[in-house]
Amino acid sequence: DVKVTQSSRYLVKRTGEKVFLECVQDMDHENMFWYRQDPGLGLRLIYFSYDVKMKEKGDIPEGYSVSREKKERFSLILESASTNQTSMYLCASSLWTADYEQYFGPGTRLTVT
Amino acid sequence: ELKVEQNPLFLSMQEGKNYTIYCNYSTTSDRLYWYRQDPGKSLESLFVLLSNGAVKQEGRLMASLDTKARLSTLHITAAVHDLSATYFCAVQETSGSRLTFGEGTQLTVNP
Repeated sequence: DVKVTQSSRYLVKRTGEKVFLECVQDMDHENMFWYRQDPGLGLRLIYFSYDVKMKEKGDIPEGYSVSREKKERFSLILESASTNQTSMYLCASSLWTADYEQYFGPGTRLTVT
Repeated sequence: ELKVEQNPLFLSMQEGKNYTIYCNYSTTSDRLYWYRQDPGKSLESLFVLLSNGAVKQEGRLMASLDTKARLSTLHITAAVHDLSATYFCAVQETSGSRLTFGEGTQLTVNP
């Protein structure tokens, strides 16, 4: 079974802090994704990566950056956390070939106070 | 820009009844995915539909894809309380690996 893990289930940070969210997958997937999910807005893509050191902006990249130094790990960085970044963050991964099905991690609920 | 719309967004139904959730999308694609999300949890894959006319069934849920109409349906047969969850459809863009998600349908099955 594909396993996608995220470093924290719940996180509370203060405004202005630098925040790191980590995602690790164990199935050698090329593609990795970061989404945020907010009530009434569905899932919105922040960034994705199709290879090590490669990244592409999604629909809402402002205020975020990412890092992919190893194939299995994709990090989301909030350079200076703000209250409007309070959200559920979901990581996903998929193979480049085959059916592109995305497998999701358990999510990190981030609260910025 | 690919747009994906689901309806209804909220569905309250009684146990034992049948109903259908619709997923419309705006541009050509032949890959569509259905996910389930329980409250406070992450997304779980339900169905992967990869071609026109594809039909998949698992228990009381059946999904189909009509790429010509740009429409997928998720049919619920004889609903039970355990099916209460939010259901998302997602469509793959014609190039690359991105998925665009619908807004989700929050299903509540009442005894």
